[in-house]
Amino acid sequence: GDSVTQMEGPVTLSEEAFLTINCTYTATGYPSLFWYVQYPGEGLQLLLKATKADDKGSNKGFEATYRKETTSFHLEKGSVQVSDSAVYFCALSSPSKLTFGKGITLSVRP
Amino acid sequence: GAVVSQHPSRVICKSGTSVKIECRSLDFQATTMFWYRQFPKQSLMLMATSNEGSKATYEQGVEKDKFLINHASLTLSTLTVTSAHPEDSSFYICSARDSDGTDTQYFGPGTRLTVL
Repeated sequence: GDSVTQMEGPVTLSEEAFLTINCTYTATGYPSLFWYVQYPGEGLQLLLKATKADDKGSNKGFEATYRKETTSFHLEKGSVQVSDSAVYFCALSSPSKLTFGKGITLSVRP
Repeated sequence: GAVVSQHPSRVICKSGTSVKIECRSLDFQATTMFWYRQFPKQSLMLMATSNEGSKATYEQGVEKDKFLINHASLTLSTLTVTSAHPEDSSFYICSARDSDGTDTQYFGPGTRLTVL
C-alpha cells in the first residue's frame, strides 16, 4: 500500500539555520503531496502542497518540490525562526484519503 | 483560506457518558469530512470518512457503534463517543476535503477529550 517515510527526529536548530526535512513516498498512481504543520495543542495547518511532478509548493519561506524520479518531497527553509518550532507531517493523497508520515519535531533555539 | 472549526476544544466527562464533537467547514462546502484520533507524540490515525447524506465509512478496528458519525449537511459533521471510558481519552481532529480536485484536507483545531 501507499506509505510515507520521514526522517527520524527530533531536529534542533539555531535561529537562522538552514532546514531540510526529508520525506519519501511509495504510491501507485500520481498522488498529491502535502506538508502540514502542527503547533502544540492545535490541529494541523496546511503548509504547502504540490499536485504533480516537478511542482514546487511554497509558503512562509518553506519550499518543497515534487520529485517523481526520486519519489521525494523534501521540505526546506533557508532561515528558520523560533516561531517555526512545531511538528511537521508529510502526507500524500492515496486516493481520497491522506497517508501521513510519522511526523518530526523541530525545535529552533534563539 | 479554508477554515474548519471544532467544538468543543476541550471536554471532560465521566465514564459511561456520551460526548458529541462538532466539526464545521466555515467558508466552503465539504461533501467529505474525516475524523482522526491522535495519541501523544504520534501521527494521526484515521477513524472514519464521513460523506454528506450517507453512512460513514469506518477504518478497520474502529467500532462504529461506539463512535457515531453524522454528516447531515455540507458544512457539519458530528462525532459522538458513546459510553466513553478512560481509554477513549485522546485528541480528536476532524478535517474537511476541498472540492478543488487535489484531495486537500483542511483540519480543525482538535478536541481534547478526557474521560474520568
